[in-house]
Amino acid sequence: AQSVTQPDIHITVSEGASLELRCNYSYGATPYLFWYVQSPGQGLQLLLKYFSGDTLVQGIKGFEAEFKRSQSSFNLRKPSVHWSDAAEYFCAVGSYNTDKLIFGTGTRLQVFP
Amino acid sequence: SAVISQKPSRDICQRGTSLTIQCQVDSQVTMMFWYRQQPGQSLTLIATANQGSEATYESGFVIDKFPISRPNLTFSTLTVSNMSPEDSSIYLCSVHRSRTDTQYFGPGTRLTVL
Repeated sequence: AQSVTQPDIHITVSEGASLELRCNYSYGATPYLFWYVQSPGQGLQLLLKYFSGDTLVQGIKGFEAEFKRSQSSFNLRKPSVHWSDAAEYFCAVGSYNTDKLIFGTGTRLQVFP
Repeated sequence: SAVISQKPSRDICQRGTSLTIQCQVDSQVTMMFWYRQQPGQSLTLIATANQGSEATYESGFVIDKFPISRPNLTFSTLTVSNMSPEDSSIYLCSVHRSRTDTQYFGPGTRLTVL
């Protein structure tokens, strides 16, 4: 079955600390992978995406993610977290020219000053 | 990317009534989607709305409960019919950009059913 797992429901970090949010997927076709962020009361904003090529992708707001096919993972990282990064983060998977995205359950990030 | 607006941004409704949510995009798109995000949950796709054809519903969602219109390439509506408190959710529309093969989301409509 196709699925996306985000093992961490809630993560708390101090401002300035590094961050890694985990995402594992199970998908029959070649995956297209996405990270979205949802700030309180807001819609989803695309942080970054991976389709092919370099397995380390850069996104907005200083985020990056690394695709590891052998581990079926697409973890999101940021070297230094800012208080404004506090939000809900969703990993999603689709495939070429598909209309459907499968979302993980999300990770809520809390940042302490 | 895409500029997507939704109306209303939030509403509080009585049980048994219906609410129509509007989604407007700043440019023409073929595929539009409607998602539901229940409190504390992830996003679940309700249906895909293509202009000129009937919407395609995902398992667990039916047209009688969630009728969708797609009159043109920039607009769609989702109606939540005969509402119950279990329908309290955020409803989001999204569009698929073929050029980037990426979905972009609207700000969502927060619905509370009493």
